Amino acid sequence: DTGVSQNPRHKITKRGQNVTFRCDPISEHNRLYWYRQTLGQGPEFLTYFQNEAQLEKSRLLSDRFSAERPKGSFSTLEIQRTEQGDSAMYLCASSLGVTSYEQYFGPGTRLTVT
Amino acid sequence: AQTVTQSQPEMSVQEAETVTLSCTYDTSESDYYLFWYKQPPSRQMILVIRQEAYKQQNATENRFSVNFQKAAKSFSLKISDSQLGDAAMYFCAYSWGSGGSNYKLTFGKGTLLTVNP
Repeated sequence: DTGVSQNPRHKITKRGQNVTFRCDPISEHNRLYWYRQTLGQGPEFLTYFQNEAQLEKSRLLSDRFSAERPKGSFSTLEIQRTEQGDSAMYLCASSLGVTSYEQYFGPGTRLTVT
Repeated sequence: AQTVTQSQPEMSVQEAETVTLSCTYDTSESDYYLFWYKQPPSRQMILVIRQEAYKQQNATENRFSVNFQKAAKSFSLKISDSQLGDAAMYFCAYSWGSGGSNYKLTFGKGTLLTVNP
């Protein structure tokens, strides 16, 4: 069990560019969550997968954001046409499912849009 | 909508002393879960302690314990014998769900804990 991993750890991009982040959950965990954390704030929920199905999206997730979890394994979060307001830490968490509600977090991807 | 409020943006404690971090929440649900997470500087979020709302007994994990007051919707974290490694941002979080529904976390804004040697 190597924990939740996220790549890249840091991303600097110019406004208008597209970026993609990857999250690898703990191997047996069927639930995967994405959160966004801005400076001085707690994380805010973005979206949730149970296996490969995306079951809920926050209103924070604009049309420029898309997330996938093919085959119920790793997940990707893509931001198109980035804006300066997208600068934040993007956190991924996973949990075992109905029998366990504890979420385990990855180290996050810090995005800076210049 | 559920909300979580941490009224102490910053706290400090002397090494080996005890400190209590406050958290209140608002929910209309009767069965839910509460958590304290620790986020050290530039490091990932770590679960410190959890409490199921249906349990009357307060959770304890080594030097960490909670005071869960369901009627008052209060969930404070007590850290005993504080250590330098306890210095971090602490987040209180709430989760609710049943069956296949979402157990997404709702976080407070955090309390930055400083431990003085």
